[in-house]
Amino acid sequence: EDQVTQSPEALRLQEGESSSLNCSYTVSGLRGLFWYRQDPGKGPEFLFTLYSAGEEKEKERLKATLTKKESFLHITAPKPEDSATYLCAVQARGTSYGKLTFGQGTILTVHP
Amino acid sequence: GAVVSQHPSWVICKSGTSVKIECRSLDFQATTMFWYRQFPKQSLMLMATSNEGSKATYEQGVEKDKFLINHASLTLSTLTVTSAHPEDSSFYICSAPNPPTGVDTEAFFGQGTRLTVV
Repeated sequence: EDQVTQSPEALRLQEGESSSLNCSYTVSGLRGLFWYRQDPGKGPEFLFTLYSAGEEKEKERLKATLTKKESFLHITAPKPEDSATYLCAVQARGTSYGKLTFGQGTILTVHP
Repeated sequence: GAVVSQHPSWVICKSGTSVKIECRSLDFQATTMFWYRQFPKQSLMLMATSNEGSKATYEQGVEKDKFLINHASLTLSTLTVTSAHPEDSSFYICSAPNPPTGVDTEAFFGQGTRLTVV
């Protein structure tokens, strides 16, 4: 069974204080690992897809990296508007395209 | 990116009644859509895979007679919660992959529907 575990459950940062979120996964053949941002009462907003170990992607203050067992979402000099829940999900080979298994999320709060 | 629209964004219904939630892909065709449920401060749990023109595939533990899914066109899937009870109150979210297959496939999500059963 595919499993995704995110840590920490919640993270409080001061504005400008860089940090990382962790996503550990177990999957029977990884097709892709996804990072989403979710604001309260909204659907997930796509951030990144990573396909193979060693891959990295960046978008503004966010950088995602991938190893064979985990992924990190690095947040550099965060701002209050980065406050949200960050979700990690995996898609396994042999399953329907778009079918994802999610972690429980990390609630990020950035204080000004 | 592709746009998935969900309607309504919130609904309150009485216990015992049925509620229909719509999920539309606005600028692409979706032969497959997915329905998730999210309880407060928990992650998204896949309920079922909606297949255009055929029966939906339900995850283990999800009652197919309670959560009716219809995918009658390439741009619309509906989830009907039948005989709703307070424990069905949750945030329901749909998604659709675009393109349908391939390494570039991404899952795009609707804005979610907050269902409250009173």
